[in-house]
Amino acid sequence: QQQVKQSPQSLIVQKGGISIINCAYENTAFDYFPWYQQFPGKGPALLIAIRPDVSEKKEGRFTISFNKSAKQFSLHIMDSQPGDSATYFCAASLQGAQKLVFGQGTRLTINP
Amino acid sequence: GAVVSQHPSWVICKSGTSVKIECRSLDFQATTMFWYRQFPKQSLMLMATSNEGSKATYEQGVEKDKFLINHASLTLSTLTVTSAHPEDSSFYICSAQRTGLGAYGYTFGSGTRLTVV
Repeated sequence: QQQVKQSPQSLIVQKGGISIINCAYENTAFDYFPWYQQFPGKGPALLIAIRPDVSEKKEGRFTISFNKSAKQFSLHIMDSQPGDSATYFCAASLQGAQKLVFGQGTRLTINP
Repeated sequence: GAVVSQHPSWVICKSGTSVKIECRSLDFQATTMFWYRQFPKQSLMLMATSNEGSKATYEQGVEKDKFLINHASLTLSTLTVTSAHPEDSSFYICSAQRTGLGAYGYTFGSGTRLTVV
């Protein structure tokens, strides 16, 4: 119940295309859903986050879509660029808890 | 703001020696810090949660005597890998939680690549 399942494991997208990464969770008590971007040899950096009271959040080329009834959320990267090539992790946090539960990660490659 | 400095960024040590990794929150106070381990092409695995002034809480399966954590101040937590062995080689990442913000206040360090030879 504490798991967050992320797919796909790897993704190749052409430059200018849309990259879509999906996550699903079981625990309805989760109340915070961040996405992290990690480059090789670096720590994760917060990309964008959403709370379950909204269905979509957009920041520049990055959008989170949230489906509370389906217990799913996804990251959309519009106009994908080679610089977006990285590993992306979704995560979730319980109300009042300190820990983040991470998805398995998606290695995204944007071909020029 | 919200910068977490992790040092060293990489270290090579001989088998049987100990290695200390520092995690500092540079511009905020962090009551709680987290230590993760990440194997190649895998997700982050939480090792332990450290709270300033108290003993760390270790996740199941993590040897507390091998991975010593000290959180002596609101801006510094250290992880010491004692009697390191090649299987301890990994990427270690800390995260600091800005006091009062819960999960909304997480900032990760840049990681430490440990290689035990």
